[in-house]
Amino acid sequence: GQNIDQPTEMTATEGAIVQINCTYQTSGFNGLFWYQQHAGEAPTFLSYNVLDGLEEKGRFSSFLSRSKGYSYLLLKELQMKDSASYLCAAYNFNKFYFGSGTKLNVKP
Amino acid sequence: NAGVMQNPRHLVRRRGQEARLRCSPMKGHSHVYWYRQLPEEGLKFMVYLQKENIIDESGMPKERFSAEFPKEGPSILRIQQVVRGDSAAYFCASSPPGTGDLGDTQYFGPGTRLTVL
Repeated sequence: GQNIDQPTEMTATEGAIVQINCTYQTSGFNGLFWYQQHAGEAPTFLSYNVLDGLEEKGRFSSFLSRSKGYSYLLLKELQMKDSASYLCAAYNFNKFYFGSGTKLNVKP
Repeated sequence: NAGVMQNPRHLVRRRGQEARLRCSPMKGHSHVYWYRQLPEEGLKFMVYLQKENIIDESGMPKERFSAEFPKEGPSILRIQQVVRGDSAAYFCASSPPGTGDLGDTQYFGPGTRLTVL
């Protein structure tokens, strides 16, 4: 079966750094994606990792360890608009397995 | 370049009626995916289609649900004889033709929120 785990909810302060973890167990794996979803809206693509290591994209970075079945999304210099759900998805040949999402609350 | 289009955005049906959800992929995209999202839950894969072909429908309920992606026109997700448990947001995503081995980014439409009374 497929199992994607991420924390349900996190709270952080504006301007701070937050790390959202994701662990996965899937039969077959080609990469790990992160999406952002604001309430009532469609998910939007943030980043993906195929190989081990860190991918940096402005204020967002994503890390992958394939041997550990682990990824994290790092958000720096948090802004109020970053309050959203962050979805981790394991990718296996045209199919995405999504976690339940981590709801991030950014406080002033 | 218009994004993924879905309509209607909101759909209300009574139990036993049929629901038809439409998805037009981004220009140049030939792969379409349907997902269901219950409140406070993640996205659940339902079906993956290419033009005129169902590639993977392992996430589709065995009864009442069907999907198609005809040569011309949008992809359709059809739910027959809806029940209250079908109430959810249904998202469509599209991606360009690719090898399938690499992570072809999926772009999501705004979703159709189905409410069954």
